[in-house]
Amino acid sequence: EPEVTQTPSHQVTQMGQEVILRCVPISNHLYFYWYRQILGQKVEFLVSFYNNEISEKSEIFDDQFSVERPDGSNFTLKIRSTKLEDSAMYFCASESGAGGNEQFFGPGTRLTVL
Amino acid sequence: AQSVTQLGSHVSVSEGALVLLRCNYSSSVPPYLFWYVQYPNQGLQLLLKYTSAATLVKGINGFEAEFKKSETSFHLTKPSAHMSDAAEYFCAVSHTGTASKLTFGTGTRLQVTL
Repeated sequence: EPEVTQTPSHQVTQMGQEVILRCVPISNHLYFYWYRQILGQKVEFLVSFYNNEISEKSEIFDDQFSVERPDGSNFTLKIRSTKLEDSAMYFCASESGAGGNEQFFGPGTRLTVL
Repeated sequence: AQSVTQLGSHVSVSEGALVLLRCNYSSSVPPYLFWYVQYPNQGLQLLLKYTSAATLVKGINGFEAEFKKSETSFHLTKPSAHMSDAAEYFCAVSHTGTASKLTFGTGTRLQVTL
């Protein structure tokens, strides 16, 4: 069964460093998302992406964040200068676009900023 | 704006007992509604979804939910709990149509005891 994959599963970084979180969405899916979940809190929307453009972004998704689909298969989230409060689980999701808005989630990347 | 309220951050039931997890939503437009389950150290798995067809929706693992517009509710039920149902459950809402972000509730942790 097709699935969304994410790497790495756990990333530890120093405050101020850049990180890139990687996702491989389900093949033939057209819509891509990043969400995050701070420990003990709810899952929050960060950004949606379609046709090589950002469709929507939340107020969390400031200038420190960027997304890219560099090669037609990977979908990346970059945080330019990490802060302590960026520590969270980051989930990638993809959607086929066939209707119903069913999003398939990856297993997540746990980001720890020290 | 859309929002979801999940009453009860922790619910404990005995194995074989009825499971009832509550979800109320707020939306200015007709919504799509979802229940996701998260097992420890895993991503989010879709249990079921309401997309404006039948109001009683059946999902995987014996779960079902009923959309009640008059009560703005989408409660999740299962007639008989199993130990393997122990997990975190998230209710989510989105606009209808493709590529709509999911807005999640705070989650309910289900514990199943012998």
